[in-house]
Amino acid sequence: NAGVMQNPRHLVRRRGQEARLRCSPMKGHSHVYWYRQLPEEGLKFMVYLQKENIIDESGMPKERFSAEFPKEGPSILRIQQVVRGDSAAYFCASSPRDSTNYGYTFGSGTRLTVV
Amino acid sequence: AQTVTQSQPEMSVQEAETVTLSCTYDTSENNYYLFWYKQPPSRQMILVIRQEAYKQQNATENRFSVNFQKAAKSFSLKISDSQLGDTAMYFCAFIPGTASKLTFGTGTRLQVTL
Repeated sequence: NAGVMQNPRHLVRRRGQEARLRCSPMKGHSHVYWYRQLPEEGLKFMVYLQKENIIDESGMPKERFSAEFPKEGPSILRIQQVVRGDSAAYFCASSPRDSTNYGYTFGSGTRLTVV
Repeated sequence: AQTVTQSQPEMSVQEAETVTLSCTYDTSENNYYLFWYKQPPSRQMILVIRQEAYKQQNATENRFSVNFQKAAKSFSLKISDSQLGDTAMYFCAFIPGTASKLTFGTGTRLQVTL
């Protein structure tokens, strides 16, 4: 079992470009969560998805950010027109159905740097 | 809203010694779960230990144990026989039984020295 796979590990974008972050959950996991970690801070919840559905996006900024988890393929976190403040580590986690109380399995994160 | 507070930004312990990391939380929920995560320099988030709020017995995983005080809303992590590989950021986290999102504290940076 390869665990939760995130790519790329590092991503550099110029201001105004788009960033696409990918997350493949663990085999058998149908729930995906995205978290953001700013420097020297804890992780902050962004969005919770199941296949083809957004369940909770209460932590997502209203503009420029979107997430999807299609029937086939990885979950994608998309940031349009990136700004310096988007620089952070973005973590994806997955869990099997109805097992969120076990604390998820996290990927290694994507570090986004906006220059 | 739930909050998680870690009041120790940095801690240091000598190899083979014992260290305790503090965590307090605030919630109106009665059913919830608490976790400690370790984040080494590799950035990977590793689950260290979990505690179910309805269980009075403190969780233990090898050298790691917790002191869960539900009435005081306290959830400290004790690391016994500290090893160099324990050097990392440690995050306390909370999830209500009825929700799906973890709330993290700001972390404690632990340095294990020779």
